Amino acid sequence: GAVVSQHPSRVICKSGTSVKIECRSLDFQATTMFWYRQFPKKSLMLMATSNEGSKATYEQGVEKDKFLINHASLTLSTLTVTSAHPEDSSFYICSAPDSLGTDTQYFGPGTRLTVL
Amino acid sequence: AQSVTQPDIHITVSEGASLELRCNYSYGATPYLFWYVQSPGQGLQLLLKYFSGDTLVQGIKGFEAEFKRSQSSFNLRKPSVHWSDAAEYFCAVGGVSDYKLSFGAGTTVTVRA
Repeated sequence: GAVVSQHPSRVICKSGTSVKIECRSLDFQATTMFWYRQFPKKSLMLMATSNEGSKATYEQGVEKDKFLINHASLTLSTLTVTSAHPEDSSFYICSAPDSLGTDTQYFGPGTRLTVL
Repeated sequence: AQSVTQPDIHITVSEGASLELRCNYSYGATPYLFWYVQSPGQGLQLLLKYFSGDTLVQGIKGFEAEFKRSQSSFNLRKPSVHWSDAAEYFCAVGGVSDYKLSFGAGTTVTVRA
């Protein structure tokens, strides 16, 4: 089946720094990708929709200046957590819909961000 | 607004026993319903999905789920669990072709020998 990768798998950074997380669709093209955030023992929360060639669409309550999303190509979306703080520590997961129109989404393995 | 409730936070089941995970949803139109499994270090894997048609859906790894519109439920079942079924299970609801998913809080399944 289709594969979505994320890099890095885990990152530790100091408070105030910015961190970039990459999401790649490895064997299919994705004009749309999604970014989720998952807190420990909690559900996944949709943060934003990443659109290739246009601006991302953010869910209510998500700071677009804090979480910068760039969908540079049909296989790559990046999430940059700017000026990270400890409360941004979380598990970030991306997904991409199947390009064959099967209404199936493929999820990346996630990135564990820890902000000290 | 769409939402999903998974009433059971944690379920422990003996290997070989049956398993049922509950899922209730709230959605204003015809929902697309999904069950995903998440194992440590791995991405969410789709177990099965319901869009329309037969309300009993067969998935991978021996799982099945039944859509009951009258009860707004989409419960997941497996007749005989294996130790490898220990994982986190998420029910999700989405709209037609917008791909946005709302997830339940998840149910952790522990399998004891």
